[in-house]
Formats: sequence, C-alpha cells, structure tokens
Amino acid sequence: GENVEQHPSTLSVQEGDSAVIKCTYSDSASNYFPWYKQELGKGPQLIIDIRSNVGEKKDQRIAVTLNKTAKHFSLHITETQPEDSAVYFCAPKNSGSARQLTFGSGTQLTVLP
Amino acid sequence: NAGVTQTPKFQVLKTGQSMTLQCAQDMNHEYMSWYRQDPGMGLRLIHYSVGAGITDQGEVPNGYNVSRSTTEDFPLRLLSAAPSQTSVYFCASNPTDVGSYNEQFFGPGTRLTVL
Repeated sequence: GENVEQHPSTLSVQEGDSAVIKCTYSDSASNYFPWYKQELGKGPQLIIDIRSNVGEKKDQRIAVTLNKTAKHFSLHITETQPEDSAVYFCAPKNSGSARQLTFGSGTQLTVLP
Repeated sequence: NAGVTQTPKFQVLKTGQSMTLQCAQDMNHEYMSWYRQDPGMGLRLIHYSVGAGITDQGEVPNGYNVSRSTTEDFPLRLLSAAPSQTSVYFCASNPTDVGSYNEQFFGPGTRLTVL
C-alpha cells in the first residue's frame, strides 16, 4: 500500500509570508495528487489537485508542484492570511485503484497576524 | 443539495455498548467511505463501498461493520465499543473512482468518546 509522509507537522508564518508543505509517497503508480484543507470542527475539503502529466498547477494564492522522479509533491501558499490557518493533508492516489485515499498525517498551519 | 450529512455530531458510549453512526449523501455518488481521525495520525480508512451491496475493508476495519443497501446511506456500526475507538469519524463520498480523478466530499464528522 501507499506510504505517505508529510512535513512539517506544524508551521507558523507571519501574515503575508509564504508557506510550503511537502508530501512524500512510496507508490510509483500514484498519478493523482490532491491537497485537502481542514478547518477547525469541519471535514476536510479539497483545495487543489494535480495529475501526473502536469508539473505545476496554480489557483490564485495556492499552487502545487510535483516531482514524480523523487516521488514528492508540495503545497505552496503565498501572501498568507489568517483564514489560511488550518490543517492541511496530502493524499496521493493511483486513480486506477478502487482503494480510497491514504492521507498524510497533516500539517497544522498557523498564520500569525 | 445537503451534501454529506452525519448524525450524531457527538456521542458518548460506555465500553461494550453498540451504536450506529449514520451517513447519507444526496449527490448520487457511487463511492462512500468511512475514516477515523486521531491526533497526529491524519485520517485512516475504516471501510468503503463502491456501490450499493458492495463493501470492502480499509486500513483499520476491526471492530466496525458496514453495509450499503442504498446509494444514499452508508452506516457504520460499532459492535462493542472500546476506549481505543474514541475518535472523530468522517464519512465521505465521490462519484466514481477507478480510472478517474475525483474529489472526495466529506461530512462534518462525529466525535465519539468511549468511556
């Protein structure tokens, strides 16, 4: 099965700074790489994803980059705001498998005003 | 659409009691899953279903049963609750899975405490 490691486990940044979270996976068949955001007291919600035929994807202040050779992908948040404070999870997947997502252990991001 | 709904939001059980966590979705999704979330461990898959009448085990299935009699509902049963089952439980659904790339939609969670 997929072995997923996510770093760092906690991250504090000043408002306006950038944040980067890295996810390393083991299954070379993984070809779908989503990031989920979980706000306090809520379920996770997809914020951005990337497929293996793409190296980078941006959506306003967030971006995901993929290095398939090294088997890792990263979430980048620029110009951080207090509402970015949350727990972020990666969940790499082989889209050809019926098995549901294997999540990383999560990163608690705190944006300090 | 209400999306994915879960009941109850909170529950306290005594060791050995049984109960059912309810999950329903109104998006006509084929796939439904149950995860548990423990501090520092992310979300771990308990059971999942690829359609009505079909279920399979995830990473941590022991102590839990599921069934899928309709597309909409996917209840999770705790047969004899143990303190190790104290956790937050999330139900999720997605339209299809194999051969496609799909967002999972999560419910708001049920916080379960077993004394």
